[in-house]
Amino acid sequence: GENVEQHPSTLSVQEGDSAVIKCTYSDSASNYFPWYKQELGKRPQLIIDIRSNVGEKKDQRIAVTLNKTAKHFSLHITETQPEDSAVYFCAASIYGNNRLAFGKGNQVVVIP
Amino acid sequence: GAGVSQSPSNKVTEKGKDVELRCDPISGHTALYWYRQSLGQGLEFLIYFQGNSAPDKSGLPSDRFSAERTGGSVSTLTIQRTQQEDSAVYLCASSLVLAGGNEQFFGPGTRLTVL
Repeated sequence: GENVEQHPSTLSVQEGDSAVIKCTYSDSASNYFPWYKQELGKRPQLIIDIRSNVGEKKDQRIAVTLNKTAKHFSLHITETQPEDSAVYFCAASIYGNNRLAFGKGNQVVVIP
Repeated sequence: GAGVSQSPSNKVTEKGKDVELRCDPISGHTALYWYRQSLGQGLEFLIYFQGNSAPDKSGLPSDRFSAERTGGSVSTLTIQRTQQEDSAVYLCASSLVLAGGNEQFFGPGTRLTVL
């Protein structure tokens, strides 16, 4: 089955700097890659997603890039702000199934 | 519109008791998922319902765990003979079923504490 790994597990950045989180997946048939943000004590919420027919997608300060050959995708957050502090989960679709395989999450801490 | 709701928000029970957790998905969402999240951990998949198809139960950790989805809407997750290691936040999510993957909308979760 699909296996999704995230690196690093914890990332600390100075406010205003950029943060990058990378995920790798195992199944080349996966074609949908969302990123969820979970603030402390709250539910996970989708922040951006990408499908396998594009290589990059941007939404204001966040972007996701996909490298299908290497089977990895990354979340980029520019001009980080304190409210970006959260746990970020990447996921990959499981071929032939509507399920998502989630990574274990990255704790991002933005230092004011 | 209304999002995914779950009840109760908190549940404290004694070891050995049975508990039922409820999930009301977004109207029209044919896919429903249950996850478990232990403190500071990731999202552990438990079970997935899609329309009238047989549920994907591959994530249930033991036969003490079961779930039903009645009428293609509300779902109940039942944990029998609870153990202390069952303590966690149980999250429900729902989604549409469209080709190529879909956004899952999560509920607020039920925090289960087994004493």
